[in-house]
Amino acid sequence: AQSVTQLDSHVSVSEGTPVLLRCNYSSSYSPSLFWYVQHPNKGLQLLLKYTSAATLVKGINGFEAEFKKSETSFHLTKPSAHMSDAAEYFCVVSGGSGTYKYIFGTGTRLKVLA
Amino acid sequence: DAMVIQNPRYQVTQFGKPVTLSCSQTLNHNVMYWYQQKSSQAPKLLFHYYDKDFNNEADTPDNFQSRRPNTSFCFLDIRSPGLGDAAMYLCATSVRVNYEQYFGPGTRLTVT
Repeated sequence: AQSVTQLDSHVSVSEGTPVLLRCNYSSSYSPSLFWYVQHPNKGLQLLLKYTSAATLVKGINGFEAEFKKSETSFHLTKPSAHMSDAAEYFCVVSGGSGTYKYIFGTGTRLKVLA
Repeated sequence: DAMVIQNPRYQVTQFGKPVTLSCSQTLNHNVMYWYQQKSSQAPKLLFHYYDKDFNNEADTPDNFQSRRPNTSFCFLDIRSPGLGDAAMYLCATSVRVNYEQYFGPGTRLTVT
């Protein structure tokens, strides 16, 4: 069975400092992995995806993530946080074990301090 | 721009009064999904359509129904809303199952 764990429910950073949101996954097969961002009262926006190509994935708004099979991790990073990055972030695993369904992490709320 | 559109963005209904939420897409995707998201939780899949084939999740209450009259539109019907159905309802689409999903802005449902 697939699962995904977001290791921090809340992360606070100062504007201009690096962002690290951690995600670990479990999958018997080669999974697809995604990061989504959700601003208050909005839908989910796809930040980036990993689908067995390059292990370092670049996304929108300066975000990137590295797929590390040995560590079963897919952490999201950004070199310099902006106030507009404050939002909820979801790590998602899909595609392994013959299932198409999205398995969501519990989310990480990112707070950016001025 | 190609997109997923949900109407209305905010819906207030009374306890027990049927309500319909609407989703349309200009992406021409084969798959359309409906999710329920309660406060501070991850989205929960209710059902999806692959073309005209309807796929219900085992734990989706019978109170929730869906229709997909054509490729572009999909509706969520809540036959008798309860207070526990107050949530954000998200529509999403993908080219096929197992591909990335694109989400609409959601409809926030309030039940009074």
